[in-house]
Amino acid sequence: QVQLVESGGGVVQPGRSLRLSCAASGYSFSDYGMHWVRQAPGKGLEWVSVISDGGRNRYYADSVKGRFTISRDTSENTLSLQMNSLRVEDTAVYYCVKDYRVYSTSGILEHWGQGTLVTVSS
Amino acid sequence: EIVLTQSPATLTLSPGERATLSCRASQSVTNYLAWYQQKPGQAPKLLIYDTFNRATGIPARFSGSGSGTDFTLIISSLEPEDSAVYYCQQRGDWPPITFGQGTRLEIK
Repeated sequence: QVQLVESGGGVVQPGRSLRLSCAASGYSFSDYGMHWVRQAPGKGLEWVSVISDGGRNRYYADSVKGRFTISRDTSENTLSLQMNSLRVEDTAVYYCVKDYRVYSTSGILEHWGQGTLVTVSS
Repeated sequence: EIVLTQSPATLTLSPGERATLSCRASQSVTNYLAWYQQKPGQAPKLLIYDTFNRATGIPARFSGSGSGTDFTLIISSLEPEDSAVYYCQQRGDWPPITFGQGTRLEIK
């Protein structure tokens, strides 16, 4: 079965960097697009970024554009999110999400990891 | 960016009753509208995609309808475990993917 396990969260000061990882298993990782979605404490869901199955196409929410970078390592079946210049408002649980459709990026968020908490605070 | 507005904010019903949750888009998303269920302390779970298609393993008591800008999630006969926050999400015009603010469903 599909498993997505995030790691790398923690407490970080504003302006610093953090790198999140997501280990994928139970399916052919290279065949599916992957997303990051976040949820601030007690708030709703916010889509952050997507990377296509082949890694060629990457898109970001305006709120993180220029600060966050999504990447994938097919040899390690790992999705990453490099977060630079962190702000207090980036505090959230970050979810790694597998797209529904094979060989494309549909925007249907089929499988979710359990999330990793990032707290940006001085 | 397409804005999704969900109503009501909170819904309190009894087991066996029918729940009707609404989602309105600021512009047409065609039929590219999904619904997710999130229970406390858990990740969201895909229920319905492209308006009316149930995801794998989702019971038939969950159904979706609508088109364009107005969509509905119906839970035909509520079970206690249906207590959760429900989010709608559009992929009609993305990026960005956008979500509604959520409807909290309480089963009393």
